[in-house]
Amino acid sequence: NAGVIQTPRHKVTGKGQEATLWCEPISGHSAVFWYRQTIVQGLEFLTYFRNQAPIDDSGMPKERFSAQMPNQSHSTLKIQSTQPQDSAVYLCASSPGGDTEVFFGKGTRLTVV
Amino acid sequence: GDSVTQTEGLVTLTEGLPVMLNCTYQTIYSNPFLFWYVQHLNESPRLLLKSFTDNKRTEHQGFHATLHKSSSSFHLQKSSAQLSDSALYYCASTGGYKVVFGSGTRLLVSP
Repeated sequence: NAGVIQTPRHKVTGKGQEATLWCEPISGHSAVFWYRQTIVQGLEFLTYFRNQAPIDDSGMPKERFSAQMPNQSHSTLKIQSTQPQDSAVYLCASSPGGDTEVFFGKGTRLTVV
Repeated sequence: GDSVTQTEGLVTLTEGLPVMLNCTYQTIYSNPFLFWYVQHLNESPRLLLKSFTDNKRTEHQGFHATLHKSSSSFHLQKSSAQLSDSALYYCASTGGYKVVFGSGTRLLVSP
């Protein structure tokens, strides 16, 4: 079990460019979560999927952020027209579902210059 | 909506002193799970301990916590802090699929 896999581990984009972050959840896990972590804001919930269906995207900045889960083995978080304030560590997590623990990936550190 | 409150942003301790990190929660679920996650520097959060049962102490790696539904609390404790305990600690609750995290408490243990 390789755990939750996130790629790339580090990404640097220029202001205004697009960034796509990838996540491969643990096989068999039905719930996938995306979080953003910064020193100032801590761990912020972005969105989650259950059985590939989007369930709650209440944490997503509506205009430039989007997330998809086209199949059970991967999810993507896309940020259009990146801004310096988007710089953060983006964490993907998965869980078997129900009232169980979530397992985090190692994160993608996004730096917008 | 559901929420988890961690009142201390930073806790500084001398090695050997007891640790107590506060966590209270609000939830619509009658039987939530409560969790403590620990995040060491340059790592991702990982589960430290969890509980579902009211008034039952749960322990792991020297830490313990007791879920008290009457006060909606799940405080994390340890009898004697170690330097290696320095980390960021998140309390979280879940009912159904949604996991709600607190804002985190940074614990710094000094010699």
